Amino acid sequence: DGGITQSPKYLFRKEGQNVTLSCEQNLNHDAMYWYRQDPGQGLRLIYYSQIVNDFQKGDIAEGYSVSREKKESFPLTVTSAQKNPTAFYLCASDRDRVYQPQHFGDGTRLSIL
Amino acid sequence: AQTVTQSQPEMSVQEAETVTLSCTYDTSESDYYLFWYKQPPSRQMILVIRQEAYKQQNATENRFSVNFQKAAKSFSLKISDSQLGDAAMYFCASFHSSGNTPLVFGKGTRLSVIA
Repeated sequence: DGGITQSPKYLFRKEGQNVTLSCEQNLNHDAMYWYRQDPGQGLRLIYYSQIVNDFQKGDIAEGYSVSREKKESFPLTVTSAQKNPTAFYLCASDRDRVYQPQHFGDGTRLSIL
Repeated sequence: AQTVTQSQPEMSVQEAETVTLSCTYDTSESDYYLFWYKQPPSRQMILVIRQEAYKQQNATENRFSVNFQKAAKSFSLKISDSQLGDAAMYFCASFHSSGNTPLVFGKGTRLSVIA
């Protein structure tokens, strides 16, 4: 079955360390997204990519970086510049949001050691 | 810029009863789409229902229906015959078809279902 795979499910980061969250999709979707979810904040967009080798900043891009070298993959790096990285991170993808709404992965929970 | 507001952080409903979750949005566009997503404790996001702004008829999916008031920019979700499995966070979202903008989400409403 097609879907979105996020890994790992849980991730711990030490102070000053960069960590990378993986997101892979086999839905042949062109667009991919990263959201951060905090209690009471809903989903906030970090970065999105509508095509390979291109991506745009969302509302809270500071302290994060992404790449889109392959259609299937959209990894998110949480850098040491992100001072409050503890959150739940969701990856999503879509091809046509009107008739094929966004599909979401199961998420990664990132915590600070 | 689009904004989506959910004014009810938490709601509760008795099993088998009906509950309505509120959502208002702000946009200057004429062509847009509205969605309700459900996030159960497993934290997976599930699409519940969607509404095209150009359609006057309210969308319905089984026990879920919307009350779309375009002039008031209101998009409420009604859940009929509530079930224990309906307990979840519910997010309202919108996007404009022009400019290929991403979805904008509200902050969510936590729904509890009381047996």
